[in-house]
Amino acid sequence: AQRVTQPEKLLSVFKGAPVELKCNYSYSGSPELFWYVQYSRQRLQLLLRHISRESIKGFTADLNKGETSFHLKKPFAQEEDSAMYYCALSGAEGGSQGNLIFGKGTKLSVKP
Amino acid sequence: GAVVSQHPSRVICKSGTSVKIECRSLDFQATTMFWYRQFPKQSLMLMATSNEGSKATYEQGVEKDKFLINHASLTLSTLTVTSAHPEDSSFYICSATPPTLSGYTFGSGTRLTVV
Repeated sequence: AQRVTQPEKLLSVFKGAPVELKCNYSYSGSPELFWYVQYSRQRLQLLLRHISRESIKGFTADLNKGETSFHLKKPFAQEEDSAMYYCALSGAEGGSQGNLIFGKGTKLSVKP
Repeated sequence: GAVVSQHPSRVICKSGTSVKIECRSLDFQATTMFWYRQFPKQSLMLMATSNEGSKATYEQGVEKDKFLINHASLTLSTLTVTSAHPEDSSFYICSATPPTLSGYTFGSGTRLTVV
């Protein structure tokens, strides 16, 4: 079964500290992985996807197929990074192709 | 570009009435749109895939007769919650994939409260 696991509900760090939001997935084929971010009272928006291998707002994420992980990292957290982060998987196994399966989300709180 | 507009953003209705939520792709055509539901403090759950010109595909456990989806044009999908009950109170979000961009674009969501 396809599943996305974000083990941490809340992650609290101080400004300037490194941050890593964990994401593990379960999928038998070749999934496409995403990170979405939802700032307070704003819409959900795409942060990055593993295919593009780009860095958005200083965040990076590497797909590790061996560990089935797609952890989101940033070397120096900023207060404006405080938000809800969702890891998501897209695949055709057992469902509508193109739909997303979301993790439960991790709330990142960056303290001054 | 690639904006998905969702309306209304917030609605309160009486138990037993029906509520329609609209999802529009403003600057692109979307043959497929997705409807999600988010319960408080829980993750987004896919409810159904809306297909332009054909019937929607519902996920297991989602009542087709309760959550009516219509995708009559390439830029508009509607979700109608029929005979709403308090347990239908939730946050509903739609999304679509612009053909020229990566990832999915989401609407701003609709907070439904059934009293």
